[in-house]
Amino acid sequence: GENVEQHPSTLSVQEGDSAVIKCTYSDSASNYFPWYKQELGKGPQLIIDIRSNVGEKKDQRIAVTLNKTAKHFSLHITETQPEDSAVYFCAARSTGNQFYFGTGTSLTVIP
Amino acid sequence: EPEVTQTPSHQVTQMGQEVILRCVPISNHLYFYWYRQILGQKVEFLVSFYNNEISEKSEIFDDQFSVERPDGSNFTLKIRSTKLEDSAMYFCASSVSGINYGYTFGSGTRLTVV
Repeated sequence: GENVEQHPSTLSVQEGDSAVIKCTYSDSASNYFPWYKQELGKGPQLIIDIRSNVGEKKDQRIAVTLNKTAKHFSLHITETQPEDSAVYFCAARSTGNQFYFGTGTSLTVIP
Repeated sequence: EPEVTQTPSHQVTQMGQEVILRCVPISNHLYFYWYRQILGQKVEFLVSFYNNEISEKSEIFDDQFSVERPDGSNFTLKIRSTKLEDSAMYFCASSVSGINYGYTFGSGTRLTVV
């Protein structure tokens, strides 16, 4: 089955700086890669996603890049704000409906 | 914004007891899922449900687990005889389509088996 690895596990940045979270996947058949943000006491919320026929996608301060050859994808958050502090999960979907999640990155934005 | 609602938010149960975790998916969604997250570990897939039947399940989803959509709105996960290792956060999710769509997750039910 698919295996998703995520790095780093914790990340601290100064407010206004950029944050980058990286994930790798093992199954070349994976074709859909969402990113979720989980705040304390809440369920994961979809913040951005990318499909395998696209190399980059942007939504305001958030962008995701995908390198299919290398089987890795990354989340980029620019101009970070304290409210960006949360746990971020990457995921990959291959054949079937289930997602395979990374282990999560705890992002802290220091005011 | 439409939400997936889960109840209860926290459930404590004795080992060997049955528990039912409840979820109300978003009304126009057709695909329903249960995931769990043991403390400090990955979010793990349990089961997907479409058209009133299980469409996919993981190795975790053994005979002690079952899902049901008893009416037009609820989606339940039953654990027949709970074990200590079932203690986890259980997330329900739903999606409009099963292909290339992200899920909407509920806030989760924290199950503690003692």
